[in-house]
Amino acid sequence: GAGVSQSPSNKVTEKGKDVELRCDPISGHTALYWYRQRLGQGLEFLIYFQGNSAPDKSGLPSDRFSAERTGESVSTLTIQRTQQEDSAVYLCASSLPRGGPSSFEQFFGPGTRLTVL
Amino acid sequence: RKEVEQDPGPFNVPEGATVAFNCTYSNSASQSFFWYRQDCRKEPKLLMSVYSSGNEDGRFTAQLNRASQYISLLIRDSKLSDSATYLCVSPRGSNYQLIWGAGTKLIIKP
Repeated sequence: GAGVSQSPSNKVTEKGKDVELRCDPISGHTALYWYRQRLGQGLEFLIYFQGNSAPDKSGLPSDRFSAERTGESVSTLTIQRTQQEDSAVYLCASSLPRGGPSSFEQFFGPGTRLTVL
Repeated sequence: RKEVEQDPGPFNVPEGATVAFNCTYSNSASQSFFWYRQDCRKEPKLLMSVYSSGNEDGRFTAQLNRASQYISLLIRDSKLSDSATYLCVSPRGSNYQLIWGAGTKLIIKP
C-alpha cells in the first residue's frame, strides 16, 4: 500500500522567504509527526497531531514555524521568513490510532530537504 | 542528562563480525523501546521493537536491562548492508511521543 509521501523532495529558497512543506500520511493513521533533522544530527521533534485533539506544538523552535492538519489527512508545515539555520531535512511520520504497542511504530516519509541560501 | 543517549560511534567492524551497542534511558517508567535504522540520506525505518526482556529477529537481538536502564542491539554475522545509523527510541509516557536518541553510526568493512 501507499506509504507516507512528502513534497517537495527538495526545496531551495532565499533567506527571508516563506516555505510550505506537505505531508500525506498513510490512510487510517490518526497520529502525524513532524521532525527536523540537521546534517549528522538526530531527529528533533517539532509537532504532533492526534486525530481531532489539539496538536502538541511544544517542539516548534520559534513562532516562524507553524503546522496545520486537515482532519486525519494532509498536513502542511510552514516556515516564515526562513533563516539559514532552518536548512535541514524535514521528516513527516504517521502512526496507527492510540492503543497498543504497535501504535508507537512510526512510518516515515522520504523527507523534504530544505536549503536556505 | 538526555532522556535517551547513544554512543554516536562510528563503530568500524569487519564483515562477519558480531557487534553490539547500547542505549541508555532516564525514564524508569518506560515500558517499550524501539530500534530504528536510518541509511544515509534516507528516512528512519523500524528495525525491532522491545517490550519485555528482549527480542530476536534473525541476526539481530535486542535486549532490555531495566535495572541498569539500557537496551542493547546485537548484530551477528554482520553484512556490508548493515552499515547505517541505528536510532534508539522510547515513548514519552502516555502521550505517544517518541523520544529519539541521536543514533549510533555503524560501518561494516569488507
